[in-house]
Amino acid sequence: GQSLEQPSEVTAVEGAIVQINCTYQTSGFYGLSWYQQHDGGAPTFLSYNALDGLEETGRFSSFLSRSDSYGYLLLQELQMKDSASYFCAVRNYGQNFVFGPGTRLSVLP
Amino acid sequence: DAGVIQSPRHEVTEMGQEVTLRCKPISGHNSLFWYRQTMMRGLELLIYFNNNVPIDDSGMPEDRFSAKMPNASFSTLKIQPSEPRDSAVYFCASSPGLNEKLFFGSGTQLSVL
Repeated sequence: GQSLEQPSEVTAVEGAIVQINCTYQTSGFYGLSWYQQHDGGAPTFLSYNALDGLEETGRFSSFLSRSDSYGYLLLQELQMKDSASYFCAVRNYGQNFVFGPGTRLSVLP
Repeated sequence: DAGVIQSPRHEVTEMGQEVTLRCKPISGHNSLFWYRQTMMRGLELLIYFNNNVPIDDSGMPEDRFSAKMPNASFSTLKIQPSEPRDSAVYFCASSPGLNEKLFFGSGTQLSVL
């Protein structure tokens, strides 16, 4: 089976940097993805790591270490609109996507 | 592209009634997923299809739930009979191929009274 763990809540102030961690247990997977979901909305894709290392997309970066079964999403220059839930997800070799429990980020003025 | 289209957006029904949720994936995407989201259980994968064929339905809660994909542009998730504990947001998502990102529909908010 597979399981993913994330902190349930994170709070930060506008302009700050925040890191959301994800640890996982899975027998095999293609890569680690991150999704953002605003209240009342649908999850939207943010980033994907197939290989170890850092991927950067604007203010967002994502990191993967397969040897440590660990990844994180880094959000820089936080804005109020970044207040949302963030989910890590793995696509395992069975080809289905499994999502973590989600981290609720609150950005304070 | 219109994205993944789900209908209805909201459904309120009484316990024991049949509920049918509909999904039109993005044209050209060959994988389709049904998820259920609740506060308690988060995003749960119910079933997914690849090239219209169900690949993994181990997440379907029980026999009351069934899903079909008669063609590449349409899928349904049916609950019969519905129960209050089925109340949740049901998302459909599609992806263009292996290792690709998911594109989610707007979801169906289901309330079973």
